[in-house]
Amino acid sequence: AQKITQTQPGMFVQEKEAVTLDCTYDTSDPSYGLFWYKQPSSGEMIFLIYQGSYDQQNATEGRYSLNFQKARKSANLVISASQLGDSAMYFCAIWIYNQGGKLIFGQGTELSVKP
Amino acid sequence: SAVISQKPSRDICQRGTSLTIQCQVDSQVTMMFWYRQQPGQSLTLIATANQGSEATYESGFVIDKFPISRPNLTFSTLTVSNMSPEDSSIYLCSVEREYNEQFFGPGTRLTVL
Repeated sequence: AQKITQTQPGMFVQEKEAVTLDCTYDTSDPSYGLFWYKQPSSGEMIFLIYQGSYDQQNATEGRYSLNFQKARKSANLVISASQLGDSAMYFCAIWIYNQGGKLIFGQGTELSVKP
Repeated sequence: SAVISQKPSRDICQRGTSLTIQCQVDSQVTMMFWYRQQPGQSLTLIATANQGSEATYESGFVIDKFPISRPNLTFSTLTVSNMSPEDSSIYLCSVEREYNEQFFGPGTRLTVL
């Protein structure tokens, strides 16, 4: 069975600094993808970044980058130059190619950005 | 990205009643998903809804409690039946346009009294 682990229930970061949110996963399937979502207090799930298991380079999207270490089965999210609006819950999720497209989510990390 | 809307955005319901949540997408998609997020918890998949076939339910979820319709490639509904306070959650629909594109609707925040 697939599993996603986010070991940081809560994180604090100073505005304008960088922060890393941890995510490890467990799967025996060779074809999978890793997603990160942001969930503000409004409840919507905002897609941030995607990394495929066969991608050679780490994914980047603006201030978001994914530190993908396949051998260690980790897919940490790095947010550079934190902003107050980054305060939210962050979820890591895994998608398995041969399991019909569903996402399995970690427990989330609550990020608070301090002014 | 896909534009996804959900109705209602929130509701407060009485125990024993049912609520139908609608999910509308701005483009045709094959796969639609319904997730539940209980208070303070992560998201859990309820079922996968493909047009033209019966929904596929995850372990712990049954059709009698969460009937789903998928009449076309842009629309789906989830009904939460015979509600109890334990059903108080955010219900989110999502769509898969490509394998690396999975987008969520804004969610329906349900409170059952």
